[in-house]
Amino acid sequence: KAGVTQTPRYLIKTRGQQVTLSCSPISGHRSVSWYQQTPGQGLQFLFEYFSETQRNKGNFPGRFSGRQFSNSRSEMNVSTLELGDSALYLCASVSSGSSYNEQFFGPGTRLTVL
Amino acid sequence: KNQVEQSPQSLIILEGKNCTLQCNYTVSPFSNLRWYKQDTGRGPVSLTIMTFSENTKSNGRYTATLDADTKQSSLHITASQLSDSASYICVVGEQTGANNLFFGTGTRLTVIP
Repeated sequence: KAGVTQTPRYLIKTRGQQVTLSCSPISGHRSVSWYQQTPGQGLQFLFEYFSETQRNKGNFPGRFSGRQFSNSRSEMNVSTLELGDSALYLCASVSSGSSYNEQFFGPGTRLTVL
Repeated sequence: KNQVEQSPQSLIILEGKNCTLQCNYTVSPFSNLRWYKQDTGRGPVSLTIMTFSENTKSNGRYTATLDADTKQSSLHITASQLSDSASYICVVGEQTGANNLFFGTGTRLTVIP
C-alpha cells in the first residue's frame, strides 16, 4: 500500500502571498488531519476532514483553510502569508479501523516565508 | 487543562548505550498513548500505541511503558544505534467523540559514535 504523499515537499513564498498544499492519504482512508510543526512548539493541530466535511478545527486564524475531495485527497490553503507561517506542514491519514484512529503521517511540506 | 510534557528536551548518548525518555500527561479521560519517532525533516512514524489496559509494549529495541494511575509513560531504547538519532514525540488521545490528540514537544535524541 502506498503511503501518504504530500506535495510539494519544499516551498518558498514571500509575505502576503498565498499557498496551497496537497495531501493524498493512504488508499481507503477517508480521514485526513493537518498539523503545523515549528521548532519548540511541536505539532499544532490545524483541522481534520472526513468524507469531505471538516470534523474538527484547531486554534488557527481564518487565513488557514482546507478542503477534502471525494477521492479523500485534501488541500490546505494559507492566505496572506506571514513570516511566522514558516513551518513544516504535516498531513496525517487516519485509519478508522482501529479503536484509536491510528495516524500515518506524510513526509511534510517545508514552507519558508521570506 | 490537557497537557503532555516530555523530558528531557534533549539527550546525547554514546552508541550502544541504553536510554529512557519520559512523558507525563494530564489528559482526561484517557484513551491511548502513542510514541512517534521523527527523523529531521520527515514525518513522524509510529513506534507504539497503548490503551489504558496495556502497561508495556515493545517494537524491536523500543519498549514503551504506561502507568495510567500516575499518568506517566516512558520509552526505553536498548543498545542505541546512530539511526536512533531523531525526535521522539509522545501523543495522548482523549476519549471523547472528537478523538482529540495532545502532543508533547518531543525529546531530541542524538546518538554519537
